[in-house]
Amino acid sequence: NAGVTQTPKFRILKIGQSMTLQCTQDMNHNYMYWYRQDPGMGLKLIYYSVGAGITDKGEVPNGYNVSRSTTEDFPLRLELAAPSQTSVYFCASSYRDSYGYTFGSGTRLTVV
Amino acid sequence: QQPVQSPQAVILREGEDAVINCSSSKALYSVHWYRQKHGEAPVFLMILLKGGEQMRHEKISASFNEKKQQSSLYLTASQLSYSGTYFCGTVTTDSWGKLQFGAGTQVVVTP
Repeated sequence: NAGVTQTPKFRILKIGQSMTLQCTQDMNHNYMYWYRQDPGMGLKLIYYSVGAGITDKGEVPNGYNVSRSTTEDFPLRLELAAPSQTSVYFCASSYRDSYGYTFGSGTRLTVV
Repeated sequence: QQPVQSPQAVILREGEDAVINCSSSKALYSVHWYRQKHGEAPVFLMILLKGGEQMRHEKISASFNEKKQQSSLYLTASQLSYSGTYFCGTVTTDSWGKLQFGAGTQVVVTP
């Protein structure tokens, strides 16, 4: 079992560029989440999904988009990158809402 | 609304105990506890559900006071491996599915 796999691990973007952060899980979890973590801070929820075809906004969705076409994959799209999006992005999954989350290893993104 | 954690940091000698608190201004459905080591992803420790029992992970336990909308994490007989940042996450009864994290408590266990 690979768990939750995120790619890439590191990325440097220029202001205005776009990119997709990939997240896939092999645990057949229905629930998937995207969080960002700024240095020395807690995690902020960007988007979440309770199943294929269903997504909803979290605390800080502006500047991001998601899709969930399969149970396994939950990509996060950044459009028109800004320096404020410099952060570590974590994808997570859970079997359902009353279960703990399994986190991926994270993507460290720098926007310059 | 983000839960409030206290203290912000704690330094322990190996074998000492510590308590980390997490409080919410809203009614809670569940409380999660995670530990994150520097440069790594958060790791799930335990979840406490509304109406559920006190939970335990090794010598770490947690309680959930539904009336006060608070949870406490108890580090008992701390080990060097307990060092890291502990985060509580809360799901309120009016924001199902949205786990919001506190700012974290940094724990340093020294020999």
